[in-house]
Amino acid sequence: DQQVKQNSPSLSVQEGRISILNCDYTNSMFDYFLWYKKYPAEGPTFLISISSIKDKNEDGRFTVFLNKSAKHLSLHIVPSQPGDSAVYFCAASVGGSNYKLTFGKGTLLTVNP
Amino acid sequence: DTEVTQTPKHLVMGMTNKKSLKCEQHMGHRAMYWYKQKAKKPPELMFVYSYEKLSINESVPSRFSPECPNSSLLNLHLHALQPEDSALYLCASSPTAARGVNYGYTFGSGTRLTVV
Repeated sequence: DQQVKQNSPSLSVQEGRISILNCDYTNSMFDYFLWYKKYPAEGPTFLISISSIKDKNEDGRFTVFLNKSAKHLSLHIVPSQPGDSAVYFCAASVGGSNYKLTFGKGTLLTVNP
Repeated sequence: DTEVTQTPKHLVMGMTNKKSLKCEQHMGHRAMYWYKQKAKKPPELMFVYSYEKLSINESVPSRFSPECPNSSLLNLHLHALQPEDSALYLCASSPTAARGVNYGYTFGSGTRLTVV
């Protein structure tokens, strides 16, 4: 039973446009959410996080939105750059820590020049 | 040094072999983790070490044996593995594993294990 779902295995956008990556979760105990980026042959890299007490967190070109009632979060990348092309994992945890992360399957983002 | 280093990068082993995976970090992190990732699946937690003590074992079979000799080093000893254990094994670290404290992990690049 997958508690964190990324239903789009891939997404392709043009350079300069907005990329929106979506994530849904089923466990209402999750209270901390993270996004990781992974290039081939490298480990995942922490990108941005959000606590359940917030509905938005912004860091440069990256913004994460959390809709608790819908159990949905999204990562917005504006503007998208070719170097953003990677697999993006959504992850969630209980207890506001990264003690144990539950990951989604990932979405492959391709940003075309 | 802001990296988690994993060795070897690739490993092929037979079902009767004994091998070890090594993970090292010099960031002063006191929590270290082993995750397993199979193809087209998300990473799944195996073990958590906090202050060199095993704090979480996610019901991992005993053919996987973790060891944390010191605060910088984490090993995963492998014995009598099955072909279905073939996967990418990721090590990660964070400043702490305490609840209520929010840090992103730093992951290593993983060891690609093939059991034949």
